[in-house]
Amino acid sequence: KAGVTQTPRYLIKTRGQQVTLSCSPISGHRSVSWYQQTPGQGLQFLFEYFSETQRNKGNFPGRFSGRQFSNSRSEMNVSTLELGDSALYLCASSPGERTIYEQYFGPGTRLTVT
Amino acid sequence: AQKVTQAQTEISVVEKEDVTLDCVYETRDTTYYLFWYKQPPSGELVFLIRRNSFDEQNEISGRYSWNFQKSTSSFNFTITASQVVDSAVYFCALSEAGGSYIPTFGRGTSLIVHP
Repeated sequence: KAGVTQTPRYLIKTRGQQVTLSCSPISGHRSVSWYQQTPGQGLQFLFEYFSETQRNKGNFPGRFSGRQFSNSRSEMNVSTLELGDSALYLCASSPGERTIYEQYFGPGTRLTVT
Repeated sequence: AQKVTQAQTEISVVEKEDVTLDCVYETRDTTYYLFWYKQPPSGELVFLIRRNSFDEQNEISGRYSWNFQKSTSSFNFTITASQVVDSAVYFCALSEAGGSYIPTFGRGTSLIVHP
């Protein structure tokens, strides 16, 4: 089975712009979660989706949004980018309905905001 | 509120040494799940193990073993006869029922295995 894929792998944006990141889960997985990883804050949970429904949202401002499509692919969007949004954004899919099951992570999208 | 502490920021060992990575958690829930993930230099987190709060049985998988002790709220990870390929950052994580199972990760322990 192919693993979790994320596109793009690297992205450079300017403050104030918006960005959309994409994630394709492992075939058959309907649960997708997103995480932000920074040296300062570590790994932080962003969203969890299951069957196109957002199950949970982490403690992030409304500039961070996401969605999941009927084929389980997911996108996250960050509007009005700030320097502090520079991070590695990781997507994970799970064979179960919730994040209590093992998660399989993609390689991440490295976002740099200048 | 749930919390995960990995007090060891970095551990350096020589190949074939045994090494234990500590994980201490805090939760008020009786139902929760604990995880270990490995993040090699490539960046992709790799799932290693999941344990639920009702199963304190220790587990061994090859050179890896895990010691879950509810009495001390710890879920430690031991690598026996470490190898250079074990070099990575290791994360411990907790998902509790009261927190809608949103996972909380520790800050990670960087393990460097020298040849």
